[in-house]
Amino acid sequence: QQPVQSPQAVILREGEDAVINCSSSKALYSVHWYRQKHGEAPVFLMILLKGGEQKGHEKISASFNEKKQQSSLYLTASQLSYSGTYFCGTEESSNTGKLIFGQGTTLQVKP
Amino acid sequence: GAGVSQSPRYKVAKRGQDVALRCDPISGHVSLFWYQQALGQGPEFLTYFQNEAQLDKSGLPSDRFFAERPEGSVSTLKIQRTQQEDSAVYLCASSPRQGPTGELFFGEGSRLTVL
Repeated sequence: QQPVQSPQAVILREGEDAVINCSSSKALYSVHWYRQKHGEAPVFLMILLKGGEQKGHEKISASFNEKKQQSSLYLTASQLSYSGTYFCGTEESSNTGKLIFGQGTTLQVKP
Repeated sequence: GAGVSQSPRYKVAKRGQDVALRCDPISGHVSLFWYQQALGQGPEFLTYFQNEAQLDKSGLPSDRFFAERPEGSVSTLKIQRTQQEDSAVYLCASSPRQGPTGELFFGEGSRLTVL
């Protein structure tokens, strides 16, 4: 049930782009993206709902392929502040309270 | 601050001891969630409250784990007879909406170490 994220880790230079993927074997109602810096709380980035609605961050975009149960997070022109671990969370139904997180993708942006 | 507050931030327990972890959600938030995060892993769902009602406790790993939110605000996660495998960061999150479909506001967590 846990979504699978890829890659596990990415190292970038400032200004480079990155894509983080999230894949589920279950039909999904929504996909959520969070970023967590070491020792800190996860912070909300984006939610993508079945049907195409998106809510989230100004400088980060994402897509949700409902047929394939896949989502991708696009980080363009990366900044040092983008460093951290990115988690996707999936919700199978709007009726549950359960958001299931993937194992995370660690992103390191170097100057 | 108006964020989610968790206490204690760090707890060391001897195996077999009981522990209680507290979560103060953002005032007025309807939904409250507990997650367990092992080192290097994603948060794992434990339980979900909507106001004072515990609507989902399917993620609690054993009957040693118990959560409550008696007045629909503060929540306590209690772990009885702690084991080494209980060592983890316990994250609390709240949301102004029913369910997780929206932004979850996480606390910084309570790090439990069981010796």
